[in-house]
Amino acid sequence: AQSVTQLGSHVSVSEGALVLLRCNYSSSVPPYLFWYVQYPNQGLQLLLKYTTGATLVKGINGFEAEFKKSETSFHLTKPSAHMSDAAEYFCAVSDTSGTYKYIFGTGTRLKVLA
Amino acid sequence: KAGVTQTPRYLIKTRGQQVTLSCSPISGHRSVSWYQQTPGQGLQFLFEYFSETQRNKGNFPGRFSGRQFSNSRSEMNVSTLELGDSALYLCASSPEPGRDYGYTFGSGTRLTVV
Repeated sequence: AQSVTQLGSHVSVSEGALVLLRCNYSSSVPPYLFWYVQYPNQGLQLLLKYTTGATLVKGINGFEAEFKKSETSFHLTKPSAHMSDAAEYFCAVSDTSGTYKYIFGTGTRLKVLA
Repeated sequence: KAGVTQTPRYLIKTRGQQVTLSCSPISGHRSVSWYQQTPGQGLQFLFEYFSETQRNKGNFPGRFSGRQFSNSRSEMNVSTLELGDSALYLCASSPEPGRDYGYTFGSGTRLTVV
């Protein structure tokens, strides 16, 4: 069965600093991986996804993530944090047991300090 | 292009009542999934519909049900509400079932059971 682990439920960075949000997955088959962002009182917005092909995936708002099979990781990064990046971020893996449901991590709340 | 529309945005219900939530997917999207989000359990899959058929159901009691109409709009119903049903209910759509699409989520319906 697939699973997702997000290390760090809260991360704080200074404005302009590197953002690194960690995600590790468990999957017996090649995974399809996603990062979503959730702003207060909003739904989830897709930032980026990895299905096949290039392992470095670029998304919206300057975010990118690298799929590393050997480390079973899919960490999300952004070179320079903006105040508007403050939100909760969710990593997800697509189930492979016959459904297409997403299995989400517990989320990481990003705080950006002025 | 309109996004996924969920109505109502907020609901307050009393224990024992029932509630119906509505979801209109993106035009052309025929697959609709529902998720429950709570602080304690995170994001959990409820069910998925495609072509008016429930393809998959998560691990929720039979009080939770849903349906999809011929225009792909979907509703979910919760009967005999319990306090623990208080949550943000999120609807997501994709063109059709598949691991690699990346679901588009609505803003959710926040249900409070008192």
